[in-house]
Amino acid sequence: SQTIHQWPATLVQPVGSPLSLECTVEGTSNPNLYWYRQAAGRGLQLLFYSVGIGQISSEVPQNLSASRPQDRQFILSSKKLLLSDSGFYLCAWRGGFGNTEAFFGQGTRLTVV
Amino acid sequence: DQQVKQNSPSLSVQEGRISILNCDYTNSMFDYFLWYKKYPAEGPTFLISISSIKDKNEDGRFTVFLNKSAKHLSLHIVPSQPGDSAVYFCAANGKTGANNLFFGTGTRLTVIP
Repeated sequence: SQTIHQWPATLVQPVGSPLSLECTVEGTSNPNLYWYRQAAGRGLQLLFYSVGIGQISSEVPQNLSASRPQDRQFILSSKKLLLSDSGFYLCAWRGGFGNTEAFFGQGTRLTVV
Repeated sequence: DQQVKQNSPSLSVQEGRISILNCDYTNSMFDYFLWYKKYPAEGPTFLISISSIKDKNEDGRFTVFLNKSAKHLSLHIVPSQPGDSAVYFCAANGKTGANNLFFGTGTRLTVIP
C-alpha cells in the first residue's frame, strides 16, 4: 500500500532563516507530487506541483521554492523565511492520470518568529 | 480567483440529525469532485467522490449530490455523529497542470451531542 511521510510535524524558525521540508512517498512510482498551504479563509492553496524528477511548476509567486531530486521525494525550501510564510504546509501525491483522490501527509505547522 | 467555493464557514448540527455541506464551482470543465475531512494538525483524508456523469454517490452515512447545471454539489451526512466534527473541504479536478485538484475554503462542522 502507498504511504506518504512528511516531516517535521512542527517547526519554529526565526525570520531570515532557511527552510527545508521533506516529503517522501512509498508504494507507488512516478506520482504527481504537490505542496499545499492551508491559510485562513483560503482553504488549501496549491503552491507547487511536479510530474517528474526535476520538473517543478509554481502556482503562486512567493518566497518559497520546491525541488524533486528523486521520483518519490519532494522538498519545499526557502533561503530566507518571512513572517508571512507561517502556516500549515501539506504534501500530497496523486496518480498521473484519471480521476483519483489525492493522498496527503500529516502536515507541518511552520511558525516564523 | 477561487474556482471552488464553500460559502458557509461553519455549521452546527445536533447528533442524529442530517448535516448538509454545500459547495459551488465556476469552471464547467471540472469533471470529478471530491470531499475531504480534516482534523486539526492533520492532513485531509479522502471521504467520497463523484464523477460528473453521475448526480449521486452514496457510501454509508455519506452521500454526495451533484447538480451540473447549477454547478453545485453537496455532502449529506446522516445520521451525524460527534466524531464527524471536523473541517470539510470540497475539491474539483482541474484537468490542467498535473491533474491538479482545486479546493474550496472549507466548512467547519460541529456535531453537538
